[in-house]
Amino acid sequence: DAGVTQSPTHLIKTRGQQVTLRCSPKSGHDTVSWYQQALGQGPQFIFQYYEEEERQRGNFPDRFSGHQFPNYSSELNVNALLLGDSALYLCASSLASERWNEQFFGPGTRLTVL
Amino acid sequence: SQQGEEDPQALSIQEGENATMNCSYKTSINNLQWYRQNSGRGLVHLILIRSNEREKHSGRLRVTLDTSKKSSSLLITASRAADTASYFCASRSGGSYIPTFGRGTSLIVHP
Repeated sequence: DAGVTQSPTHLIKTRGQQVTLRCSPKSGHDTVSWYQQALGQGPQFIFQYYEEEERQRGNFPDRFSGHQFPNYSSELNVNALLLGDSALYLCASSLASERWNEQFFGPGTRLTVL
Repeated sequence: SQQGEEDPQALSIQEGENATMNCSYKTSINNLQWYRQNSGRGLVHLILIRSNEREKHSGRLRVTLDTSKKSSSLLITASRAADTASYFCASRSGGSYIPTFGRGTSLIVHP
């Protein structure tokens, strides 16, 4: 039973560029959430996708956008990268019908913006 | 904003000792989860405790929840060097689908 997978593992970009991160949810899960974790901080919620639509969004600018595909996998896009976007980006999946909303996390993508 | 705050920020102990970490939160919750994160990796789910539960056990882990004090604690008994990691609490409240994380406790267990 495959858990949550993310790609790539590491990524180095320069300011102003655009980046796309990918996530495949745990088998049987239909909901994907994205988090940004700066060094020494807890994960900060970016947005959540369910049924291919953004269901809830955190306090992130419009430069952060996402998409969910019919197979429940998801992408996170960040445009016009800033140095402050350097962080570990975590994807978590869950099952919408599961009352207690237990989330399972992937290993993360480490993004460095130079 | 962060709903939960862990205390202490950092904890250093010897192998075999017990480690206790605390989490406080601000608003009423539906459930609270504890996660472990090894050095820059993904988060591993440890325990979920529901708002109507007071205590849960999983192996060497014991979690308590005091909704009157809006706090939770994670106890790791007989710690091992492999327990070295950051530990986060995440609470979910109201109609939100999203757990809100604290800043974490960094635990170092010396062999």
